Amino acid sequence: DQQVKQNSPSLSVQEGRISILNCDYTNSMFDYFLWYKKYPAEGPTFLISISSIKDKNEDGRFTVFLNKSAKHLSLHIVPSQPGDSAVYFCAASSITQGGSEKLVFGKGTKLTVNP
Amino acid sequence: DSGVTQTPKHLITATGQRVTLRCSPRSGDLSVYWYQQSLDQGLQFLIQYYNGEERAKGNILERFSAQQFPDLHSELNLSSLELGDSALYFCASSPGLYSGRIGNEQFFGPGTRLTVL
Repeated sequence: DQQVKQNSPSLSVQEGRISILNCDYTNSMFDYFLWYKKYPAEGPTFLISISSIKDKNEDGRFTVFLNKSAKHLSLHIVPSQPGDSAVYFCAASSITQGGSEKLVFGKGTKLTVNP
Repeated sequence: DSGVTQTPKHLITATGQRVTLRCSPRSGDLSVYWYQQSLDQGLQFLIQYYNGEERAKGNILERFSAQQFPDLHSELNLSSLELGDSALYFCASSPGLYSGRIGNEQFFGPGTRLTVL
């Protein structure tokens, strides 16, 4: 059961345009959502997160939008740069009653930004 | 450089064997997380330790175990290895308990590539 889905395995955009990466989730108990970026031969890097009580969080060129009713979030990168070419993972987190965290990742979307 | 170190970088072993992967977290971080990245499965959260205690379990097989030592480094033990265990294993660390909360972002190490032949 894939609780966090990134349905597009790959995305290609032109430098300077907007990149939109999408993520869907099924578990309404998730209350935090995170995006990570991963370059080949390196570990993932935390990019941005959003709490379920918000619908938007912005950090420089990166903005995450959350639509709770649709159980959907998206990461917007504007403007896209060649250095943004990487695999992007969406993740969702919830805290159980016992105080431990449940953390689920999507399979990733490979973004290619063409010069 | 994230400040998280993992050894070894590469490991090649045979089915049925046992291996130990090691992780040193960033200075001051109390949480250590282990992840598995297989070809088709994305990142799978395995287990989290906080200040020496197990705090959260993900999709970790019974053949796998982990621990965090008093100096906060962590080891992931994989036993009775199967071909399907071949993957990249990442360790991450963070100051506190819960991922992504402000001030508690995870920092990932470069990973250990395990190949089971």
